[in-house]
Amino acid sequence: NAGVTQTPKFQVLKTGQSMTLQCAQDMNHNSMYWYRQDPGMGLRLIYYSASEGTTDKGEVPNGYNVSRLNKREFSLRLESAAPSQTSVYFCASSLNRFSGNTIYFGEGSWLTVV
Amino acid sequence: QQPVQSPQAVILREGEDAVINCSSSKALYSVHWYRQKHGEAPVFLMILLKGGEQKGHDKISASFNEKKQQSSLYLTASQLSYSGTYFCGTERKNRDDKIIFGKGTRLHILP
Repeated sequence: NAGVTQTPKFQVLKTGQSMTLQCAQDMNHNSMYWYRQDPGMGLRLIYYSASEGTTDKGEVPNGYNVSRLNKREFSLRLESAAPSQTSVYFCASSLNRFSGNTIYFGEGSWLTVV
Repeated sequence: QQPVQSPQAVILREGEDAVINCSSSKALYSVHWYRQKHGEAPVFLMILLKGGEQKGHDKISASFNEKKQQSSLYLTASQLSYSGTYFCGTERKNRDDKIIFGKGTRLHILP
């Protein structure tokens, strides 16, 4: 099984450009998440989706939009990239919204905004 | 809302023990523990769901004190492979499905 797959793995953007990070899971999980990781800040939740058709804001949603395209896919969009969005982005999924279930992480996407 | 982890960093010699603490200001439903190696994704260690519950495998175990809203991760007779950053993730009792992680504890094991 592939688990959680993210693309692209590396990306350099210019300030003001837009881009979409793609994420897909093949574990039939209901919940999906986007986190960003910055040095000394840990993993901060950007948006999450408890089930297909629903999305909710996390700790740091400003500057991002998400789409839960179907049960498998959850994309993260930066409409107008800023240097402060330089980070490592992790997509993750878990079985259902009532937690108690393992969160599986993708391999990460390294984004640099210049 | 982010849980607080302590210490921020630990340096041990192989064979020594370590304790990493995680505390929250909110009532908790569950606590998750993950380890991350440099440049890799976080990897699941264990989940604690009930107050007082203790879980473990190999020489890594954890406890969850629901009343104090705290969890501790115990690493016994540490091995070189234990090096990495440890994160606790918490879900509140309101079951809003948000899993919020702490800033992490960096653990370095010396031979």
